[in-house]
Amino acid sequence: NAGVTQTPKFQVLKTGQSMTLQCAQDMNHEYMSWYRQDPGMGLRLIHYSVGAGITDQGEVPNGYNVSRSTTEDFPLRLLSAAPSQTSVYFCASSPRRVYNEQFFGPGTRLTVL
Amino acid sequence: DQQVKQNSPSLSVQEGRISILNCDYTNSMFDYFLWYKKYPAEGPTFLISISSIKDKNEDGRFTVFLNKSAKHLSLHIVPSQPGDSAVYFCAASNSGGGADGLTFGKGTHLIIQP
Repeated sequence: NAGVTQTPKFQVLKTGQSMTLQCAQDMNHEYMSWYRQDPGMGLRLIHYSVGAGITDQGEVPNGYNVSRSTTEDFPLRLLSAAPSQTSVYFCASSPRRVYNEQFFGPGTRLTVL
Repeated sequence: DQQVKQNSPSLSVQEGRISILNCDYTNSMFDYFLWYKKYPAEGPTFLISISSIKDKNEDGRFTVFLNKSAKHLSLHIVPSQPGDSAVYFCAASNSGGGADGLTFGKGTHLIIQP
């Protein structure tokens, strides 16, 4: 099992550009989520999904879109990048039975200039 | 308003001694608590958890204690080893409120001195 994979590892964008951060898991987990981590801060939840076709907002959803067309994939879209979105983004998944015990991907470091 | 607080940004402990990491929370609805460990350039890794119906959970060298009346939990690592040097995040959730994710503290950087 590859676990939770994220691409790309690093990305630099200009203000106003759009892009998609990819996340995939091969553990057949129902629950997937996206977090961002800023310096000196804990992880903050952006969006989450409890299964294919179902998504919901977390603590900091503004400026981001998600969709869940399959169990395996949960992409995060930045519609119009802003410097405030410079952060490290982590995708996580877990089985619904113990959804708190999440498996995290290695992260994507995003810089918006 | 921070609902999960880790007031020590860093902690230095000698190898072989006990490491105690602390966490406080303010939301009375939280009923499940977890500790995650994070190395640089990696994602967090689940370490240990505790439900609010318990006051202690043990897994090898790691023990988590929960004091509900004080809204406080702590992670004990005995004995501390060099590989334990990492950032430790305390997290909490309200499992009765639906699968709406974890609330994390800011983390404590644990440094194990040889």
